[in-house]
Amino acid sequence: AQKITQTQPGMFVQEKEAVTLDCTYDTSDQSYGLFWYKQPSSGEMIFLIYQGSYDEQNATEGRYSLNFQKARKSANLVISASQLGDSAMYFCAMREGVDSSYKLIFGSGTRLLVRP
Amino acid sequence: GAVVSQHPSWVICKSGTSVKIECRSLDFQATTMFWYRQFPKQSLMLMATSNEGSKATYEQGVEKDKFLINHASLTLSTLTVTSAHPEDSSFYICSARVAEPGLAFQGRYYNEQFFGPGTRLTVL
Repeated sequence: AQKITQTQPGMFVQEKEAVTLDCTYDTSDQSYGLFWYKQPSSGEMIFLIYQGSYDEQNATEGRYSLNFQKARKSANLVISASQLGDSAMYFCAMREGVDSSYKLIFGSGTRLLVRP
Repeated sequence: GAVVSQHPSWVICKSGTSVKIECRSLDFQATTMFWYRQFPKQSLMLMATSNEGSKATYEQGVEKDKFLINHASLTLSTLTVTSAHPEDSSFYICSARVAEPGLAFQGRYYNEQFFGPGTRLTVL
């Protein structure tokens, strides 16, 4: 079974509107971390936001927020007030706690295109 | 802070030659570095975990004799693609895990990975 599932291969959003990128995960660990990364066409991986499994509040970083629903095992990324520069690939990733190697497991990604 | 560099950023080589890619943590020590491979329009796939001073741990299906990894210092890991073939053409990305306990970069957790800019390898 996929550990990280991103069901939206591609998304469009109008500039200045909000968009939600979906991510569900599968783990039996109690301690884990969830990450979102942005990958523009240049290829670099840009860290956006982190949510720990024990964090009670949803993480926020500027225009990015993570809608963490632990019981449903979902960690959706919300981008508010989309900008043209937000057009990129977005990856959800998980780090499981039991494995101390701190490996990240990535989802298949969502390509976001922001329309002017 | 937490800058990771990769060199070269792109390389073109002939089939059968070996190519070395360097991954450096510029302003922090990294006891663990990770090497990923990304094919066009696909996700990052972890190839191996590189620990300073010890042998790398390879993921299932990754040929350790083809992808040689050396992590000789706390700031440098190298990936050598030996006897490269066209099917090895890909985007290779490294990441480094911050090792110093309590070290925070802009409030982020110390055990987070920071990614290099990637190396695009084309084998002719």
